[in-house]
Amino acid sequence: KNQVEQSPQSLIILEGKNCTLQCNYTVSPFSNLRWYKQDTGRGPVSLTIMTFSENTKSNGRYTATLDADTKQSSLHITASQLSDSASYICVVRRGGYNKLIFGAGTRLAVHP
Amino acid sequence: EAGVAQSPRYKIIEKRQSVAFWCNPISGHATLYWYQQILGQGPKLLIQFQNNGVVDDSQLPKDRFSAERLKGVDSTLKIQPAKLEDSAVYLCASSLVPGQGEDTGELFFGEGSRLTVL
Repeated sequence: KNQVEQSPQSLIILEGKNCTLQCNYTVSPFSNLRWYKQDTGRGPVSLTIMTFSENTKSNGRYTATLDADTKQSSLHITASQLSDSASYICVVRRGGYNKLIFGAGTRLAVHP
Repeated sequence: EAGVAQSPRYKIIEKRQSVAFWCNPISGHATLYWYQQILGQGPKLLIQFQNNGVVDDSQLPKDRFSAERLKGVDSTLKIQPAKLEDSAVYLCASSLVPGQGEDTGELFFGEGSRLTVL
């Protein structure tokens, strides 16, 4: 079954600390994986895309990794800021079917 | 570049009433999606259009939900009659045609329409 599971479900950290969000998938065949950030009351916005040949990609303080063998991805946030408080959603695209499989998201709260 | 526009932002209705949501996608985006997002969950696809044709509506509760995309541009999603469990945010998204040209699968979302059914 094609599924995307994210952990933890929610996370609270102090401002300035680092954190790592996990995404495990069983989607096959794999096309790409995208991380979205969803601020409260807004629509999701893409942070980064990971393709089969990419292991690591950075976007400012956000670093995404992909291990296609174990079908795992992570999103690491460095030196967190209050504005990082949001839900982070992992979305895997199923190759050949043009289907997008959404995870349930991780809700991150950064406290001062 | 203008983003995806949705209206209304908020709607409160009583069960068994009807409601309609409107979406205008990014210019040039042939694919339009409607998602339902219940609090604390990820978005769930309701319907996907490519131009004005339906690509996937397998998870649309067709006994009460309907959607149309006239002229391949803007779209409306209607719920009639509404149930308590329809309380959610309805997100509209658009993208280039999947798998063609410069498409990387990125969806551009509107800010959503929050529905509360009492």
